[in-house]
Amino acid sequence: SSELTQDPAVSVALGQTVRITCQGDSLRRFSANWYRQKPGQAPVLVMYGKNMRPSGIPDRFSGSSSENTASLTITGPQAEDEADYYCSSRDSSGNLVLFGGGTKLTVL
Amino acid sequence: QVQLVQSGAEVKKPGSSMTVSCKAYGGIFSTFTFNWVRQAPGQGLEWMGGIISLSGTRNYAPEFQDRVAFTTDSSTNTTYMELSSLRSDDTAFYYCTGRAGRYLTPFDWWGQGTLVAVSS
Repeated sequence: SSELTQDPAVSVALGQTVRITCQGDSLRRFSANWYRQKPGQAPVLVMYGKNMRPSGIPDRFSGSSSENTASLTITGPQAEDEADYYCSSRDSSGNLVLFGGGTKLTVL
Repeated sequence: QVQLVQSGAEVKKPGSSMTVSCKAYGGIFSTFTFNWVRQAPGQGLEWMGGIISLSGTRNYAPEFQDRVAFTTDSSTNTTYMELSSLRSDDTAFYYCTGRAGRYLTPFDWWGQGTLVAVSS
């Protein structure tokens, strides 16, 4: 399969919990990586592998996966978490890299 | 932490070629894997391909395979992406990404991006 599907937009109230999902057949075999992009900035890796956070990413970010769906959960999002979030993984062959279409997160 | 610094913005004519450079500061350049990602204005991220320095292996997204080339210069710790036969829809920000080791992903480090506008 050569597609990763994300909801175009999600909103969450300050202090609540939000889950951003990514669906694709290749996620049954390969882990998802997640990138956050704020306006006018380059993307930043926020989650990789099986729930691994890069240095500097707060622990309110967590990742999970089940079947063909990967999720990025933000527990108690802050205003600075408002951004576009992209999932990424391999295609079924493992040789190509795919991106989801991105989810615009609004923190109310 | 490794820093990736890309070359500056460019304007190109349709049919011409472009080269974007990406210089790595810190780490051991010869162990890095570099990928290139582009983003058209207001659009999402698109993987173009990458180069694994440890093996010399190159991977290409099918859409770019015929007109993109990736090279590295270990004497200057710089990696390059050349895209030929430019079209107006190649107008985009081009990002260099990197990581240590021989795996293609994830993209640990990102350059600041290079805006390339293709216009007659």
